[in-house]
Amino acid sequence: EPEVTQTPSHQVTQMGQEVILRCVPISNHLYFYWYRQILGQKVEFLVSFYNNEISEKSEIFDDQFSVERPDGSNFTLKIRSTKLEDSAMYFCASSEYGGSYNEQFFGPGTRLTVL
Amino acid sequence: ELKVEQNPLFLSMQEGKNYTIYCNYSTTSDRLYWYRQDPGKSLESLFVLLSNGAVKQEGRLMASLDTKARLSTLHITAAVHDLSATYFCAGPQGGSEKLVFGKGTKLTVNP
Repeated sequence: EPEVTQTPSHQVTQMGQEVILRCVPISNHLYFYWYRQILGQKVEFLVSFYNNEISEKSEIFDDQFSVERPDGSNFTLKIRSTKLEDSAMYFCASSEYGGSYNEQFFGPGTRLTVL
Repeated sequence: ELKVEQNPLFLSMQEGKNYTIYCNYSTTSDRLYWYRQDPGKSLESLFVLLSNGAVKQEGRLMASLDTKARLSTLHITAAVHDLSATYFCAGPQGGSEKLVFGKGTKLTVNP
């Protein structure tokens, strides 16, 4: 069964460093998303991406964040200068069709720890 | 802005018992999702409820959706230890790409 994959599974970084989290969405999906979950809290939407551009972003997704689809398979989330509060689990998701009414399939997550 | 409220947030129950987790949401929606999350793991899709009155069952879990009451329930029948996990409900934010999640219910099933 097709699934969303993410790498790395765990990333440890120093405050102020740049990190890139990678995702490979399901191959025939066209809509991609990033969510995050701070430890013990609920899952929060960060950004959605379609046709090589951001379609929607939350207030969390500030100028420190960027997303990119560098090739036909990968979808990345970059945090330019990490802060302690960026420590969280980051989930990538993809869907065949757009809009929140279409089921989104989640990857296994990347746990980011900022020291 | 859609708000999704789950209760209880913590649930400790004994094996063999039944219980229900409730998910209330604030704006009209005819779709609701339930996910399971094991510690440190991803969100596993359990149920997609697509219309008013929808009921789905998988093993010891049964989910239902009442769009008029803006309520979804996840019923656990004869709980077993393997069901211990955190359960999230999520609803679509109308006119948006995002799913809005509840805070989750951490279920612990004790032998």
